[in-house]
Amino acid sequence: AQSVTQLGSHVSVSEGALVLLRCNYSSSVPPYLFWYVQYPNQGLQLLLKYTSAATLVKGINGFEAEFKKSETSFHLTKPSAHMSDAAEYFCAVSVSRDDKIIFGKGTRLHILP
Amino acid sequence: EPEVTQTPSHQVTQMGQEVILRCVPISNHLYFYWYRQILGQKVEFLVSFYNNEISEKSEIFDDQFSVERPDGSNFTLKIRSTKLEDSAMYFCASSSQGGWETQYFGPGTRLLVL
Repeated sequence: AQSVTQLGSHVSVSEGALVLLRCNYSSSVPPYLFWYVQYPNQGLQLLLKYTSAATLVKGINGFEAEFKKSETSFHLTKPSAHMSDAAEYFCAVSVSRDDKIIFGKGTRLHILP
Repeated sequence: EPEVTQTPSHQVTQMGQEVILRCVPISNHLYFYWYRQILGQKVEFLVSFYNNEISEKSEIFDDQFSVERPDGSNFTLKIRSTKLEDSAMYFCASSSQGGWETQYFGPGTRLLVL
């Protein structure tokens, strides 16, 4: 069975600082990995996804994530945080034979002025 | 940009009552999903639907739940006899293809069972 673990339910960074949100996955077959973002009172929006092509994936709003098989990780980064990045971020996994997405518990990102 | 919409945004109901949550997927999408998120917990898969039938369902999706695509645009989730533990945010999603193709999520319906 597949699963993801997000380290830290809340992360605070200063505006302009590096954003690092951690995600580790577990999968018995090669996974597809996703990061979704949820702004207040909105639905889940796809930031980026890994589908076995390049291990460094670039997404929207300046975010990127690197798939590291040896570490079973898919951490999300952004070089410089902006106030508008404050939201909840969900790491998720899927496999080719299933079409359901398995989500992590989410990390709420706070941006400090 | 096309988006998934859901109604109502909030629903309060009494335990034992039936509720219907409505979703309008993106118009050319063929795969439809329901997920839920109990407060403070993970987003959990409930059911996927393709070609007018359920393609997969989770253990959560027991006999009190049902889904339907009554017409060409709506996709509904019915909870027949609500329980307190059904209180959650329910998300609808749709995609143009199954597998790992991007699923587009709606804003959710917050259901509160009293």
